[in-house]
Amino acid sequence: GAGVSQTPSNKVTEKGKYVELRCDPISGHTALYWYRQSLGQGPEFLIYFQGTGAADDSGLPNDRFFAVRPEGSVSTLKIQRTERGDSAVYLCASSAQQGDNEQFFGPGTRLTVL
Amino acid sequence: GQNIDQPTEMTATEGAIVQINCTYQTSGFNGLFWYQQHAGEAPTFLSYNVLDGLEEKGRFSSFLSRSKGYSYLLLKELQMKDSASYLCAVKSGGSYIPTFGRGTSLIVHP
Repeated sequence: GAGVSQTPSNKVTEKGKYVELRCDPISGHTALYWYRQSLGQGPEFLIYFQGTGAADDSGLPNDRFFAVRPEGSVSTLKIQRTERGDSAVYLCASSAQQGDNEQFFGPGTRLTVL
Repeated sequence: GQNIDQPTEMTATEGAIVQINCTYQTSGFNGLFWYQQHAGEAPTFLSYNVLDGLEEKGRFSSFLSRSKGYSYLLLKELQMKDSASYLCAVKSGGSYIPTFGRGTSLIVHP
């Protein structure tokens, strides 16, 4: 399959630990988005990449959150000093070009912080 | 900011028709999305409306009224597999990022 993939599918960690979440977008898609979804809520925007650069990181809640996309393909979302409130499903999406209306979502990583 | 409102939950009978409403308040409206999300799965794109009117795509149709800040998703000939959350999302102000509503959980029963 050529869809968006995310690893791991589930991550359980302890408060204060560091975690990395990975996203593999659809091959050739230049735009990549990270969202966070809590139970019973819609996806909440975190950060958007166009190519290698973060075009909009206004959704990152604080400086514990950081994301990179060094080669313009795979992206890693990094969370330092995790807190229980960080528990959520982290969704990645990609689109062929900046501004494309259809975003293709991955299955998400369920993060649980104990 | 944006304010997007949709019902939390709806129930309907297999074979029936259901209409899921979404109202929004925003400045610089660009377009409105509907996504379907089954429990534990990724959202999948259903429609994107920019202009007023009804757009039909198989059993699903989406309607938009820009002047009223209102949209609905119409699902016909409901099937059990249509049980899912339906997310309304709005793009505005030239941003590439849609803002999502909380979603409407649709339960289809026999």
